[in-house]
This record gives sequence, structure tokens and C-alpha cells, in this order.
Amino acid sequence: GESVGLHLPTLSVQEGDNSIINCAYSNSASDYFIWYKQESGKGPQFIIDIRSNMDKRQGQRVTVLLNKTVKHLSLQIAATQPGDSAVYFCAENIRPGGSYIPTFGRGTSLIVHP
Amino acid sequence: NAGVTQTPKFRVLKTGQSMTLLCAQDMNHEYMYWYRQDPGMGLRLIHYSVGEGTTAKGEVPDGYNVSRLKKQNFLLGLESAAPSQTSVYFCASKDREGSPLHFGNGTRLTVT
Repeated sequence: GESVGLHLPTLSVQEGDNSIINCAYSNSASDYFIWYKQESGKGPQFIIDIRSNMDKRQGQRVTVLLNKTVKHLSLQIAATQPGDSAVYFCAENIRPGGSYIPTFGRGTSLIVHP
Repeated sequence: NAGVTQTPKFRVLKTGQSMTLLCAQDMNHEYMYWYRQDPGMGLRLIHYSVGEGTTAKGEVPDGYNVSRLKKQNFLLGLESAAPSQTSVYFCASKDREGSPLHFGNGTRLTVT
């Protein structure tokens, strides 16, 4: 999962395995969370989001789980494919003064081996 | 739709030079953001705008200025570039609160 430091956490999996990427968020007042995927040389792309009134949300091959008690978010990717290799970021949305401010974690690098 | 377009894609500056990074979106989005991305640091918010004519400071605003004169454009200026501003800069937009960001493909800036 994501952590403090200069080097990105890395998750290596075999093609076809399920992947779980973890994220700890900082603000208990955050009520909207998003996972992004960033491929080399590109900007982050939206994968899936979840609001704080939900514990789980499913998309196509992806599931996001939210545990507000411990301020933890996870992204599960089913049947991981080589095209899933990328850096994954979680983002929490905080409202310090009215408008949501999207704040990103440091990212996790997912490497899928064929 | 082109989405979010950033220009230029690459730039090398000498210390003390100035430049402007342009972000344009064709989705009629209200909100626009400038982030910088450094190795192992994730994305850090520089400045943002909640609508035409508005700007606000983010987490790391020092050394940068912004303007949002037109709804579709958000400009990021460096008045006197420093090597610490070597980074990849990303612009993003969204149409409303509680919606995901749409990102451009970044500008890679090197300050020597």
C-alpha cells in the first residue's frame, strides 16, 4: 500500500491473479474518495469512486472498499491483466472552506507479469 | 471532445527565466486545478479555481501565479524559475463538486 518515502510501494502480480492496492487517508471528515490509474507519460485517469455513505462499490473488474473506522481504502482488481500495469492513486476530498479539495496519496506501482 | 489539453508538453528553462503553462478544457467545467508531480511524492496541489475569475492557493503555491480569465483556460505562471520547480505539471478539471477530475497529459519542465 501507500506509505511515506521517496520510493513508490510496488505490488507485483501474475497475470490472472487478483490485486489489492491499499490506501490510508488522513482526514476523518473526507466524504468522497476516488481511485485513479496513471500510465507512463500520461495523466491520471478515473477508475472508480465511492462516497462515505457506502462501504463497497463495484465496477467492471474493480471493487473499492471503504473502512471509515480505520480510515482505509482499498482497490481490488480481478483477473489482473498486463494492461493494468500502472501507478494507482487514491484521492480523498476534503472541504476546508466549502469547496472539495482533491488530495492525493503517494501512489502504488502495480506490475503485472505475463 | 479533446478533454484537457496542456501546452507545451516539454520545456527547459534556465534559472530566473519566466514562462506560462496553458491548460484548456472543452467540457465547460467549472473547476480547474494545477498539480505538480515529483518522484515518490504523488500529486501536490499548487492552485485551483472554482469558476471563471476565481483562484485560490493549494498546498504548494509559492513561486507560482495563476489566472482564470476565461472559463475554459487556466494559466500557470512561473515568474522566476528555480531548479526546485523541475517537475511534471498536471492540469485537471471537473464539472461539479463530488465528481472526479479529468487530467491533461502533463508538461515536463526542467529548470537548469
